[in-house]
Amino acid sequence: GQNIDQPTEMTATEGAIVQINCTYQTSGFNGLFWYQQHAGEAPTFLSYNVLDGLEEKGRFSSFLSRSKGYSYLLLKELQMKDSASYLCAVMDSNYQLIWGAGTKLIIKP
Amino acid sequence: GAVVSQHPSRVICKSGTSVKIECRSLDFQATTMFWYRQFPKQSLMLMATSNEGSKATYEQGVEKDKFLINHASLTLSTLTVTSAHPEDSSFYICSARKGTSGDTGELFFGEGSRLTVL
Repeated sequence: GQNIDQPTEMTATEGAIVQINCTYQTSGFNGLFWYQQHAGEAPTFLSYNVLDGLEEKGRFSSFLSRSKGYSYLLLKELQMKDSASYLCAVMDSNYQLIWGAGTKLIIKP
Repeated sequence: GAVVSQHPSRVICKSGTSVKIECRSLDFQATTMFWYRQFPKQSLMLMATSNEGSKATYEQGVEKDKFLINHASLTLSTLTVTSAHPEDSSFYICSARKGTSGDTGELFFGEGSRLTVL
């Protein structure tokens, strides 16, 4: 079966760095997405990785290792507004998105 | 960026009535739109894939007669919850894909619609 695993909840301190991991097992691979979702709102796109390596975009970076079925989202200089759920999603061979359950990130002052 | 608008954002209805939710891609043509349902503190659950001009493809366990999906144009898809019951109360979200399956496949999400059935 297809499976996406990510931690349920993480806590970090304002100004610090946090890494949210995601491991996956899917039928084929056509890219991995990270989305941010604030409570009561729809998800917003953060990043897309299809090749191995690190993609940096401001305070957020995303890493992919296809051979290991592994990705992480790195958030630097954490701000209180970064408190949200972070969803990992993999596009399978049919170009359908398989969603992880999301990681709730709590930022403390 | 691409904009997807969903309406209404909140709706309260009586049990037994029907509710229609619209999803529009405002500045691009979306051949494929997706409808999700999300329960509190849970991830998105794909309900159906809507392709313009053809019947929607429903995920296993989703009643097609209860959740009617129409994708009549390249910019509009609608989800109608028929004969709503309190257990249908949820957050419904649509998304649209730009271009064909050969692109990055990035999804653009609507704002979501919170349905409360009394």
